[in-house]
Amino acid sequence: SQKIEQNSEALNIQEGKTATLTCNYTNYSPAYLQWYRQDPGRGPVFLLLIRENEKEKRKERLKVTFDTTLKQSLFHITASQPADSATYLCAPDATDSWGKLQFGAGTQVVVTP
Amino acid sequence: GAVVSQHPSWVICKSGTSVKIECRSLDFQATTMFWYRQFPKQSLMLMATSNEGSKATYEQGVEKDKFLINHASLTLSTLTVTSAHPEDSSFYICSARPGAGANVLTFGAGSRLTVL
Repeated sequence: SQKIEQNSEALNIQEGKTATLTCNYTNYSPAYLQWYRQDPGRGPVFLLLIRENEKEKRKERLKVTFDTTLKQSLFHITASQPADSATYLCAPDATDSWGKLQFGAGTQVVVTP
Repeated sequence: GAVVSQHPSWVICKSGTSVKIECRSLDFQATTMFWYRQFPKQSLMLMATSNEGSKATYEQGVEKDKFLINHASLTLSTLTVTSAHPEDSSFYICSARPGAGANVLTFGAGSRLTVL
């Protein structure tokens, strides 16, 4: 069966440092991989999408890598700030998914001043 | 940008009653919307795909008679939890895909249902 694995333990990090989150998937052949941010009691918000033929994607202080051989994506928050504290969800996405995204359980990031 | 509005944001009801949650796309048309459920500290679980003008398609294990979905227009989908019980208490979130191409979803803010 399809499985998406993200670190279940919260990532505590000091302000200014780089947070690195991992997303591993099995029994997927994603054409894309998406990352979302979810704050407590709110719906997720789209952050980044990376395609299978892209090794790396950046958006401001965010960087995503995608290794289809390892079946893994890494999500980096550089120069982290307390406002980055949230749960981050990954979603591998196949071209025939018709928008039916399945999400990992997410990794909570806590940035302390 | 694309906005999905969800209402109510929270609701408390008695066991056995029905609750309706609305999901609206405010600045785009959505032929398809998706309903998710999320329990505390757990992942979003896709419940069903809401299709404008036709029946919803439900994920395995989701009772279609329990969770009624209606998608009567291109901007509105509703989820009705019928004969709610305490185990239905959860966070329900709808989403829609505002653009063609990649399946980027815009989510509503979610509806917290508490069944007493």
